Amino acid sequence: GENVEQHPSTLSVQEGDSAVIKCTYSDSASNYFPWYKQELGKGPQLIIDIRSNVGEKKDQRIAVTLNKTAKHFSLHITETQPEDSAVYFCAALYNFNKFYFGSGTKLNVKP
Amino acid sequence: DTGVSQNPRHKITKRGQNVTFRCDPISEHNRLYWYRQTLGQGPEFLTYFQNEAQLEKSRLLSDRFSAERPKGSFSTLEIQRTEQGDSAMYLCASSLESTRERAFFGQGTRLTVV
Repeated sequence: GENVEQHPSTLSVQEGDSAVIKCTYSDSASNYFPWYKQELGKGPQLIIDIRSNVGEKKDQRIAVTLNKTAKHFSLHITETQPEDSAVYFCAALYNFNKFYFGSGTKLNVKP
Repeated sequence: DTGVSQNPRHKITKRGQNVTFRCDPISEHNRLYWYRQTLGQGPEFLTYFQNEAQLEKSRLLSDRFSAERPKGSFSTLEIQRTEQGDSAMYLCASSLESTRERAFFGQGTRLTVV
């Protein structure tokens, strides 16, 4: 199977600062890596994703980078806002059939 | 709202009772997944369907759990003889076969077994 590790477990930043969350995966066969944002009491919301043939992808204030050789990928949020406060999960798609999730990062953006 | 719909949102049940949850995927999404999420953890895979066929089940899915998707549209997840350890958020997600990576989740059903 796949094993996804995510760091840090909590992250506190000042509004306007950048936030970076990192994940590593174990199975080199995984080829798709989404990031989800989960607010309290809600289901995970897909915010950005990257496929293994791409090294970086950007969407407004969020970006994801992937290093296949090192088997790690990262989420970057710039100009953070209080509404970015939530739990963020990385995931890896294994065997084209199921996702393995990291344990989550609780991001707190202080106004 | 054309997102994934799950019902009920919350369920409190006594230990030993049976419960059933429903998931309505995004229209035309032929893949449907069930995940379980406990407090402070990421979602864990339970099972998935391609149309009406259940193609894989996790070892987490004990004999007390059964999932169906009879017509390839909505799905149900039943837990028999519930135990306190079954307390969790049960999440459903769906995706298109052609873009199967992109999975969209519902709001989940929070189960509390007392």
